[in-house]
Order: sequence, then C-alpha cells, then structure tokens
Amino acid sequence: GNSVTQMEGPVTLSEEAFLTINCTYTATGYPSLFWYVQYPGEGLQLLLKATKADDKGSNKGFEATYRKETTSFHLEKGSVQVSDSAVYFCARGTGGGNKLTFGTGTQLKVEL
Amino acid sequence: NAGVTQTPKFRVLKTGQSMTLLCAQDMNHEYMYWYRQDPGMGLRLIHYSVGEGTTAKGEVPDGYNVSRLKKQNFLLGLESAAPSQTSVYFCASSFPSPRDRGLSSYNEQFFGPGTRLTVL
Repeated sequence: GNSVTQMEGPVTLSEEAFLTINCTYTATGYPSLFWYVQYPGEGLQLLLKATKADDKGSNKGFEATYRKETTSFHLEKGSVQVSDSAVYFCARGTGGGNKLTFGTGTQLKVEL
Repeated sequence: NAGVTQTPKFRVLKTGQSMTLLCAQDMNHEYMYWYRQDPGMGLRLIHYSVGEGTTAKGEVPDGYNVSRLKKQNFLLGLESAAPSQTSVYFCASSFPSPRDRGLSSYNEQFFGPGTRLTVL
C-alpha cells in the first residue's frame, strides 16, 4: 500500500547546525510529496511540497528534492534556529479525494 | 479569513458519553477531513468528505460518525466514547486535487488547531 517512512526522533541540534530529516515513500505511482511542520500546541502547516520527480520544494531555508530513483524526499536546512523546534511530518498524496498519508513525525529540538 | 476552526479546544468525557466535534472552514473548500494524532503514529485519517452531503471512511473509522450538511462544516461524532479514543483530533480542508481530474498532483490540506479529547 501507500506509506511514508521517516526517521525517528527526537533530533537535538545546536543552533546553526545542519539538519537532515530522512523520508522515503512507497513507489506507487508518482505522488505529490509534502513536508508539514507542527509547532507546539498548534495544527499542521505546510512547509513545502513537490509534485514531480526532480522538483525541489523550498521555504524558510528548508529544502527537499523529489528523488524518484531512491523514492526519497529528505528535508534539509543549512543552519537551524531555536525557532525551528517543532515536529516535522512527511506526507504523500494517496488515492482519490486529495487524501494524504503521513509519516509518524520527527521531533526537532534546537538548543542554543 | 479565520481558515479552519475547531470547537471545542479541550474536552474530557467519561466512558460511554457522546459528543460532537465541530469543524468550520471559510475558504470555500470542497473537501474536508478528520484525523486523529497519537504518539508514535502520526496522523491517521478517520473520515473525509468530497462535498456537501457526502462522506467516506478513512483508515480508522470505527467508533466515529460524520456529517457534512453544509459545505463549510464537517462534524465528527462519538456515540459512545471509549478510552482508546483519547487523542488529539485535527480537521483539515482542501480544494479538489488535480489527481481527481485525471492529472497526477495533489493539493495542500489546511489544518485546524486541534481538539484534545480525554476519555476516562
């Protein structure tokens, strides 16, 4: 079936460190891929998306590239800030109804 | 625009009680969704709706019912609450996806702030 696997957290980094959160998806068709972010006590917000192979989504210094050959959509940021502390979810489009399948989420904590 | 709003924000129920969670959106979205979020399990789809008067089951529909009488509202009901339904519930909405017109892409879903439900 359609699934998304992302690296388990929590991930703890120092401010200005490089961030990578891995995400892979099952290769059923060519789904749109998303990264959502959830700040404490809030709902999910779209961070970035990509709709086809080799597309790069980017926003707020975060980037992710749709890699068909490795079925991956890893999230990266060159220099994290304390304000980036949140839970990050990878997701893929799934079937009709604009449904999304989410990964289990990766908690990121950035310390000074 | 308020976006997606959810009522209530918090609720504590006793086993066997019933309640309804209300979701409202002011973005004229056709599609609406109810998810539950549990530790280590991400978001799981309970039910969804692709238009006024239509609903469909998601991944974990048992124990829940939904109704979409108006385009802007999507109600989630628990007829007889169980401790296993303790969770954070999120509503979301979206425009129809191009995929539903035979193309391959999907649209963003917009999420509400969540309802934290505890069943004792």
